[in-house]
Amino acid sequence: DGGITQSPKYLFRKEGQNVTLSCEQNLNHDAMYWYRQDPGQGLRLIYYSQIVNDFQKGDIAEGYSVSREKKESFPLTVTSAQKNPTAFYLCASSTPGKLAKNIQYFGAGTRLSVL
Amino acid sequence: GQQLNQSPQSMFIQEGEDVSMNCTSSSIFNTWLWYKQDPGEGPVLLIALYKAGELTSNGRLTAQFGITRKDSFLNISASIPSDVGIYFCAGTPYNQGGKLIFGQGTELSVKP
Repeated sequence: DGGITQSPKYLFRKEGQNVTLSCEQNLNHDAMYWYRQDPGQGLRLIYYSQIVNDFQKGDIAEGYSVSREKKESFPLTVTSAQKNPTAFYLCASSTPGKLAKNIQYFGAGTRLSVL
Repeated sequence: GQQLNQSPQSMFIQEGEDVSMNCTSSSIFNTWLWYKQDPGEGPVLLIALYKAGELTSNGRLTAQFGITRKDSFLNISASIPSDVGIYFCAGTPYNQGGKLIFGQGTELSVKP
């Protein structure tokens, strides 16, 4: 089955701890994205990567880090510098370009809570 | 960052009623997408629009790309209980490559 897999579904973070959210896709998409969703708000872009070994900050990158060592994988680390990490995190992928029309496909999300 | 204004924020309707929601921007967009999100899940694409004036249907859903390229609407006809969820508009601003900007969402509740 082709798709985007996020894990874990639920994650708890202790004070001062770094946690890593996993995102894997088998759609052969070049671009991958991380969004944060808070209640009553739209999706806000944290980081995105359009190609392996390259990534750019989105609108709210502070307190987060990413890597893109493989096309299929784009893990997000929520560092201790992120003071308000409680949110629903969504990973997406797409094949940018004229033909692909920039549709982004989403995983099922990871809900992160602070203990 | 750039924003999309989506309205209404929430709607409470009776089963069988029609629903309309829209998104507006102060700048031109190349693409408009409409997604639906069920509780605790990721958004799922409903309709994609690529040309000004384009009107596209997907079952009971109809969406249009505004002629000014600054707005889009989504209509749902004869709503049913499984239409419950949050509907998001999203768009690709002119000259901004692969970035998608999202509206704040419209939360739809349907009373049987």
